[in-house]
Amino acid sequence: QLHLQESGPGLVKPSETLSLACSVSGGSITSSTSYWGWIRQPPGKGLEWIGTFYYTGSSYYNPSLKSRITMSVDRSKNQFSLELSSVTAADTAVYFCARRSGDYVRGWYFDLWGRGTLVTVSS
Amino acid sequence: QSALTQPASVSGSPGQSITISCTGSSSDIGGYNFVSWYQHHPGRAPKLIIYAVTNRPSGVPDRFSGSKSGTTASLTISGLQAEDEADYHCSSYTSTDTHVFGGGTKLTVL
Repeated sequence: QLHLQESGPGLVKPSETLSLACSVSGGSITSSTSYWGWIRQPPGKGLEWIGTFYYTGSSYYNPSLKSRITMSVDRSKNQFSLELSSVTAADTAVYFCARRSGDYVRGWYFDLWGRGTLVTVSS
Repeated sequence: QSALTQPASVSGSPGQSITISCTGSSSDIGGYNFVSWYQHHPGRAPKLIIYAVTNRPSGVPDRFSGSKSGTTASLTISGLQAEDEADYHCSSYTSTDTHVFGGGTKLTVL
C-alpha cells in the first residue's frame, strides 16, 4: 500500500528557504497516473494548495506563491521535494504532501496524504 | 484565487444527520463537477471521502454523501457516529488549472 512521509527541519529563519521532502513507499513516483502535490495548513486556518507536478516536470503552482516555489523529484530516492524561498511568519504551517489522482471525467482529487510536518518560521 | 466558504463549525447528536456547505464561484464549484471532500482528524493524514461531487472511494461508508447546486457543494453525514468528529475540508478544481480549498469545518458529535 502506498505511503507518503514528509521530512524536513521544523524551524526556519525568516528570509531563508524552507525545504521539505516527501518519501513515497509502496509504489513508484513515476506512475503514469499520478501527480504529486503539496498542501499546507496554517495554525487555526484551512488548507491551502501549494502546487502539483508530474514526475516528467510539468507543474502547476498557487499563483500567490508561484514566485517562491520550486518543486522537484528524485527518482533514485523515490521522493519529491518542495522549496519555498524568502519565508516569513505567514509561512508557518503544517505541510502535507499528497498524491493527486483522477482524470477529465472524474476530476482531480488528492486521494493519499502524508501526516504532515509542522514548519515554524521564527528567528 | 479565493478560498471556498465553509461554516466554521457544525454539531449533531449520534444518529442524527448534518450537512456542511461549501460555497465557491463559477470559476470553481459552479464550473466543474470536480468537488472533493476530506476528513481530517488532527495529527493524522487527511482522508478523501468524496470526489467528483458525489462519489465515495472504496471503504468510505455510505453514510457520507455529496451534492452540488450551482456554486454550492454540500457534504451530508447521516447516522452520526462519535468517530465522525473531525475537521472537514472541501476542495474544487478551478478554471486556471489550480485547486482551491475551503476554510474547514469542525464537526462536533455531542
